[in-house]
Formats: sequence, C-alpha cells, structure tokens
Amino acid sequence: TQLLEQSPQFLSIQEGENLTVYCNSSSVFSSLQWYRQEPGEGPVLLVTVVTGGEVKKLKRLTFQFGDARKDSSLHITAAQPGDTGLYLCAGVYSNYQLIWGAGTKLIIKP
Amino acid sequence: DVKVTQSSRYLVKRTGEKVFLECVQDMDHENMFWYRQDPGLGLRLIYFSYDVKMKEKGDIPEGYSVSREKKERFSLILESASTNQTSMYLCASNNLRTGTVYGYTFGSGTRLTVV
Repeated sequence: TQLLEQSPQFLSIQEGENLTVYCNSSSVFSSLQWYRQEPGEGPVLLVTVVTGGEVKKLKRLTFQFGDARKDSSLHITAAQPGDTGLYLCAGVYSNYQLIWGAGTKLIIKP
Repeated sequence: DVKVTQSSRYLVKRTGEKVFLECVQDMDHENMFWYRQDPGLGLRLIYFSYDVKMKEKGDIPEGYSVSREKKERFSLILESASTNQTSMYLCASNNLRTGTVYGYTFGSGTRLTVV
C-alpha cells in the first residue's frame, strides 16, 4: 500500500510565527502537489514540484521537494490569519494516480 | 473563470435511497474524478473517467457507480445509500496532457448526510 504521511495533523499558532508541514513517503513520485482547502470549498492547487531538490516560493510560502523525490515540505514565514486552512499534499504517479496525504489543519490566531 | 460545478452543496437522504450527485466542468478536460473526503483519511478516489462513457474504479468503488454520457458531465450514483456513505464528496477534473503539472480543479463539494 502506498502511503503519504503528512505531519503534523493539526497546528495552531500565533500570527507572525513560522511553521513547517511535512509530507513523507517511501515511494518515489514523478511530482508532488500542494493544495489548500478552505472550509466549505474544494482544494485549490498551490504549487507542483517536479525536480528532486527543487525549491519554489509563493510569497511567504516555500515548498521543497526532496532530492530523492520521496518527500516534501511546506514552510510558511510570518503566518497570517489568511493562511488558515487545510493543507494537502499529493504525490503524483500519472494523470490518473495521485496519493493524498491526510492533511494538516492549520489555524493562525490573530 | 473556469470552474467545476457540483449540483448540491448539502444533501440529506434516507438509508436505502438512490442518490445522484452531479458534476459539470467547463474547461473541456478529458479526465474527471469523484473523491470522498473524511476527517483524518484525506481524499479517497471512488471512480474516475478519462473519456466519455469510460470509467475506472478507484480505491473505494463499492456501493457507488458513475456515468459519463457527455464530456463535461460526470455523475456519481449511490445505488442504495447507507449511513457509512455520509461524507463530503468532491468532484475534480484535469487536462490529460498537463494535469500532472497544473493539478486538479475541484468543485466546492457536496456534503451528504444519510440518515
């Protein structure tokens, strides 16, 4: 069974703090995607990382793909209440096959 | 703005009822997917379709069927609803050629409660 373990499952921090969410697997992926989901809505793609060791930045969010393409991290600098949501990682095997992490529920308190 | 539209945001159905969940996308995407989302379990794939009238089972197809008669529409059918099918149902689509880079576009979800 292919698994994508995401940690932590839940994180509640104060505005202005930094945080990191991890996504780990024993499987190699062709790419990995990060989504954010707000309550009552579907997930929205934030970024896709493709190359081992790749780092992508989206404003205060930094995404890194592990050298072996088995793991990834999402780092948020100076978190803001607008960052609140459920963050999901998905390992990509093909157009049809994604393996999803269980998600990290992030709450940023003002 | 491109979108995936799910017909209902909230549904309450009785055990044993036949339930239809409808999904329409306006992006001319080849691939369409139905997921269910439960707390702590992430997204689990029920069925997907890569073309009109084509369907493939996902990880948890039992108790569900699907229909894709037109490219833009993908329906999920619960043949006889049961309480363990209470969940959030998400429809998604992607482009066959670019989906691995540009990801899925999701609908807003249908929260189904079976009583």
